[in-house]
Amino acid sequence: QKEVEQDPGPLSVPEGAIVSLNCTYSNSAFQYFMWYRQYSRKGPELLMYTYSSGNKEDGRFTAQVDKSSKYISLFIRDSQPSDSATYLCAMVTQGGSEKLVFGKGTKLTVNP
Amino acid sequence: ETGVTQTPRHLVMGMTNKKSLKCEQHLGHNAMYWYKQSAKKPLELMFVYSLEERVENNSVPSRFSPECPNSSHLFLHLHTLQPEDSALYLCASSPGPFQETQYFGPGTRLLVL
Repeated sequence: QKEVEQDPGPLSVPEGAIVSLNCTYSNSAFQYFMWYRQYSRKGPELLMYTYSSGNKEDGRFTAQVDKSSKYISLFIRDSQPSDSATYLCAMVTQGGSEKLVFGKGTKLTVNP
Repeated sequence: ETGVTQTPRHLVMGMTNKKSLKCEQHLGHNAMYWYKQSAKKPLELMFVYSLEERVENNSVPSRFSPECPNSSHLFLHLHTLQPEDSALYLCASSPGPFQETQYFGPGTRLLVL
């Protein structure tokens, strides 16, 4: 089993839809969970990061972590065409031998 | 310039060439990273430097040679590359090593012929 699994999509939704992006992981040592957005021909840009299980909200974006299920999600409300990008999850262990792993990324298109 | 910059943005090289990629961060961070991004694959962490000292080398072939002369600059020296090394090479920095807040540069798109 891969350490981090992320469905590469592509995912296509109409403008205004709620988008749900997900990753699962197998290593219980991961402590921090991040979501990056990558536009075409650009480097990834950090959107949000969370530490504990639960929800974290920032504008139209909500990051959710369920450590018991080893499952993280990113929700985008009222999606806009400008949200069209590839979304990468990432996670890192802390304390001792650090490990940083990215998912493959999910390509999202929001159609006007 | 602000943030993390990378040069060149595009590079085409033959298998016998030697070239270098450059990264500079203007954020006052202490850690810098090289990643390889290939189509349909996760970002692969190649090297991590903390205060100019290499703290991670993820089984990267010796044809890739990193150099970190100071905490603001990072180089990736390339020699005798293979076509499968064609990819987007991304540099990132963070306040400390393996921290969750990494800032990426725009990448260098490398094509090896």
